Amino acid sequence: EVQLVESGGGLVQPGGSLRLSCAASGFTFSTSWMHWVRQAPGKGLMWVSHINSDGSDRIHAASVKGRFTISRDNAKNTLYLEMNGLRAEDTAVYYCVRGGPLGANWGQGTLVTVSS
Amino acid sequence: QSVLTQPPSASGTPGQRVTISCSGSTSNIGSKNVNWYQQFPGTAPKLLIYNNNQRPSGVPDRFSGSRSGTSASLAISGLQSEDEADYYCAAWDVSLSGWVFGGGTKLTVL
Repeated sequence: EVQLVESGGGLVQPGGSLRLSCAASGFTFSTSWMHWVRQAPGKGLMWVSHINSDGSDRIHAASVKGRFTISRDNAKNTLYLEMNGLRAEDTAVYYCVRGGPLGANWGQGTLVTVSS
Repeated sequence: QSVLTQPPSASGTPGQRVTISCSGSTSNIGSKNVNWYQQFPGTAPKLLIYNNNQRPSGVPDRFSGSRSGTSASLAISGLQSEDEADYYCAAWDVSLSGWVFGGGTKLTVL
């Protein structure tokens, strides 16, 4: 059974940092493209970033570029999202998502709240 | 404002056929495949349709997708009460170099 388990969310002040993790199991993580997708409270879905299977290619949405960095450790079957310079508008549930196609599997999400 | 445009709401009665539209441009739907997702309140989305009209294993054949030009549609036939959920379309946008989603459509089964 495919499992994606996010962790690392929480309350952070504006300008602060957080690192999200996603532990993957039940599939061959090292050959899968992975994504982060977020959903602000009561709002729709927004794609944040993706990374290819070996980590050599990564793309971030314009709204997070320069502040967020996606990475992965295939030896640990873990996906990461390093978030710096957090803003109130980054408040959302962040989902770890398997690609091939986008959304083949989703984690349960982790809530990030940016507030003073 | 979402790059892909969906109606905010749709409704139908049990047994009816309903369609949800998703309008884009030549840089996304017009040149790339479309996926559809179903989301129930408080839960993660689920992939419903990929590559315009392909159903993942386990998705009932009551759900179907199509694409024409710069628009796509999700059709649900034999509507059931458990189909009441939010539905989102998505596609890769070559100009933005990223995935874009529609704003979502809330489906109500009357």
